Amino acid sequence: DQQVKQNSPSLSVQEGRISILNCDYTNSMFDYFLWYKKYPAEGPTFLISISSIKDKNEDGRFTVFLNKSAKHLSLHIVPSQPGDSAVYFCAARGAQKLVFGQGTRLTINP
Amino acid sequence: EAQVTQNPRYLITVTGKKLTVTCSQNMNHEYMSWYRQDPGLGLRQIYYSMNVEVTDKGDVPEGYKVSRKEKRNFPLILESPSPNQTSLYFCASSFGSIGLTEAFFGQGTRLTVV
Repeated sequence: DQQVKQNSPSLSVQEGRISILNCDYTNSMFDYFLWYKKYPAEGPTFLISISSIKDKNEDGRFTVFLNKSAKHLSLHIVPSQPGDSAVYFCAARGAQKLVFGQGTRLTINP
Repeated sequence: EAQVTQNPRYLITVTGKKLTVTCSQNMNHEYMSWYRQDPGLGLRQIYYSMNVEVTDKGDVPEGYKVSRKEKRNFPLILESPSPNQTSLYFCASSFGSIGLTEAFFGQGTRLTVV
């Protein structure tokens, strides 16, 4: 039972354009959402987060949007850069743990 | 430098041979956890610990043991490894007993059980 889903295993975007990564969840008790970025042979690193009481959080080129009624969050990266090529995981907090999605591999093409 | 250190980074072992993967953090974090990453399944939590001597099962605890005798260390023990435990393992730590904001991850341990 996958409570957090990233339905796109991969995404390819041209450098300079917007990258949009999506994540859906099923548990309405989740109160905090996070995005992590992972390069090969490294552990995931925290990127940006959002509380369930907000609908948007921005940090430089990264913006996370939360639509609670749709149980959907998205990560926007503008403009996309080659160094953004990585696997992105969304995660949701609930019941003393984080639940992760399957990940989306983002490739930024020059 | 704030970090979570896992050892070993790579390990090939045989079925049934007990092994331990160590994890240590230098940030005085209360919350520590272990995850495994498998293709198409993302990161799944194995065990977590909210403080010294306090551990609990995550989503996929079967075949694993943990202990938390000191705040900085949280080893993962496979008493009798099997091929279905071949995976990429990550240890993570974060501040606070809720513990679940910006978790710091180790670099991972790639385990192969033959």
